[in-house]
Amino acid sequence: DAGVIQSPRHEVTEMGQEVTLRCKPISGHNSLFWYRQTMMRGLELLIYFNNNVPIDDSGMPEDRFSAKMPNASFSTLKIQPSEPRDSAVYFCASSPDYDPGYNEQFFGPGTRLTVL
Amino acid sequence: GQQLNQSPQSMFIQEGEDVSMNCTSSSIFNTWLWYKQDPGEGPVLLIALYKAGELTSNGRLTAQFGITRKDSFLNISASIPSDVGIYFCAGILYGGSQGNLIFGKGTKLSVKP
Repeated sequence: DAGVIQSPRHEVTEMGQEVTLRCKPISGHNSLFWYRQTMMRGLELLIYFNNNVPIDDSGMPEDRFSAKMPNASFSTLKIQPSEPRDSAVYFCASSPDYDPGYNEQFFGPGTRLTVL
Repeated sequence: GQQLNQSPQSMFIQEGEDVSMNCTSSSIFNTWLWYKQDPGEGPVLLIALYKAGELTSNGRLTAQFGITRKDSFLNISASIPSDVGIYFCAGILYGGSQGNLIFGKGTKLSVKP
């Protein structure tokens, strides 16, 4: 079975450039999550979707970050303009159910972003 | 925000030894999950716990959901070199958003052959 797919795996860009990260959740899963991982702050939830609708975006650091989920099999996280402090590993995860009592999230391999 | 206190931060053990790590909080949780992360990879789910007092095993791994619902532990028996990695606890707060998984800072495990 294919797990969560993320692309690119690595991205190096210059400050001010637009960055788009992509995610394909596990087929049949109806919740999708974007996380950021840094040494200082660990794993932080940025935003999550249920049935393609954003449910909680309170973790999105600022207006430079935006996320979309146009359909059940694709989501993007965009940073525009990017800054060096955005450098981190960004993970996408999906979950098969949104009901209480069943919250297992499955993670993709991550995108390592470096902003110079 | 809410925090999970995970300890120890790191462990250096000999192959064959048992390992124990835990997470505690001042808040009550509905769900506890334990993940392992290898370098350059995403976290992989090891064990999920949904009821206070629940004790669940997955091979050499055993985890428990604390009775108070404020803590959880993970034990690894007879460690082997491939157990090396960072182990994270994660939980969903009682009354919190069902998608909001809060992560501990991780326990880095090193195993000497």
